[in-house]
Amino acid sequence: GAVVSQHPSWVICKSGTSVKIECRSLDFQATTMFWYRQFPKQSLMLMATSNEGSKATYEQGVEKDKFLINHASLTLSTLTVTSAHPEDSSFYICSAHSPGQGGKTQYFGPGTRLLVL
Amino acid sequence: KQEVTQIPAALSVPEGENLVLNCSFTDSAIYNLQWFRQDPGKGLTSLLLIQSSQREQTSGRLNASLDKSSGRSTLYIAASQPGDSATYLCAVKHGTGNQFYFGTGTSLTVIP
Repeated sequence: GAVVSQHPSWVICKSGTSVKIECRSLDFQATTMFWYRQFPKQSLMLMATSNEGSKATYEQGVEKDKFLINHASLTLSTLTVTSAHPEDSSFYICSAHSPGQGGKTQYFGPGTRLLVL
Repeated sequence: KQEVTQIPAALSVPEGENLVLNCSFTDSAIYNLQWFRQDPGKGLTSLLLIQSSQREQTSGRLNASLDKSSGRSTLYIAASQPGDSATYLCAVKHGTGNQFYFGTGTSLTVIP
């Protein structure tokens, strides 16, 4: 089946720094990628929808200037957490949409755990 | 806005028992529903996908049903094993290429 990778798998950073997370579709082209966030003991919440070659669409309450999303190619989307704070510590998961896979059109990455000190 | 709820939030059963996890959603105009498994600190593993026109799907010891009109789905796990211990998430989509709306999850522990 289709594979989606994320890098890094985990990252620890100091408060105030920026962190970039990559999401790659390894064997298919993804016209749309989604970024989710999961806080401890909570479910996944959509942060933004990333479309190749256009601006991302952010969900209500998600600061677009803090969570920068770039989808420059059909196989790569990046999420940059700018000026990270401890409350940004979370598990970030991306999914990639493959138009040609019928009903099961989204594949999830393994996630990136971010800890901001 | 779609809201997905899962009951119970946590479940602990002895090995060998059959069990049912419940998922309900408020907007029945879904495209499909999917059940996932998430191990601690890990990503998602897709278990079963049910299209809106289907009533159930089976894979091994797992059986998922869908009653779209009432906004409900169940995941039945037969002869549970300790390796089944994980958090189970249900999620619905409203169209191909669209986002998932995830449920709150059920944390399952199967005791040897």
